[in-house]
Amino acid sequence: DVKVTQSSRYLVKRTGEKVFLECVQDMDHENMFWYRQDPGLGLRLIYFSYDVKMKEKGDIPEGYSVSREKKERFSLILESASTNQTSMYLCASSRFQGGNTGELFFGEGSRLTVL
Amino acid sequence: EDKVVQSPLSLVVHEGDTVTLNCSYEVTNFRSLLWYKQEKKAPTFLFMLTSSGIEKKSGRLSSILDKKELFSILNITATQTGDSAVYLCAVEGTSYGKLTFGQGTILTVHP
Repeated sequence: DVKVTQSSRYLVKRTGEKVFLECVQDMDHENMFWYRQDPGLGLRLIYFSYDVKMKEKGDIPEGYSVSREKKERFSLILESASTNQTSMYLCASSRFQGGNTGELFFGEGSRLTVL
Repeated sequence: EDKVVQSPLSLVVHEGDTVTLNCSYEVTNFRSLLWYKQEKKAPTFLFMLTSSGIEKKSGRLSSILDKKELFSILNITATQTGDSAVYLCAVEGTSYGKLTFGQGTILTVHP
């Protein structure tokens, strides 16, 4: 069964802390994504990566960075967490299909609270 | 800027009812439209549509795309309590990898 695993389901951090959210997929997918989900705003793309060491900014990259050193792992980094980054973070992956991104497989989410 | 609007935002029905969820979009250079179901955890894939007028069907769920009028509908017939979820619509436009999601429709099915 295909799987996207987010290591932390619930985190509570303090303002100014550095936060790492880890995501691992076991499907050998080329594409990996980080979204945040907030009530009334839907899912918004933070960053995505289409290959190892490659990254593209999404719609809301400010305050975030990412790392993809291995194909199966995509990390989201909050250099200095702020309260407005309290949210549900969803990681996803997809296989490269040429013309479109294709079906995304999502992890179960990491709920981050910044105090 | 790409835009996706879903309606209604929420819907309450009884088991056995048929529901229609709507997704309208404004994107440049349309590539695909996707529907997802989200219960308490990860969104799960339902359909991907790329061509107008071709219905996709899976059990009691079906979906169709109209690229001229820029919308898609998701139909669920003979609803069950297990259909209660948030239904998400997403569209991929000009930029590969950048899906724009709608706000979602919250469907509640009462016994």
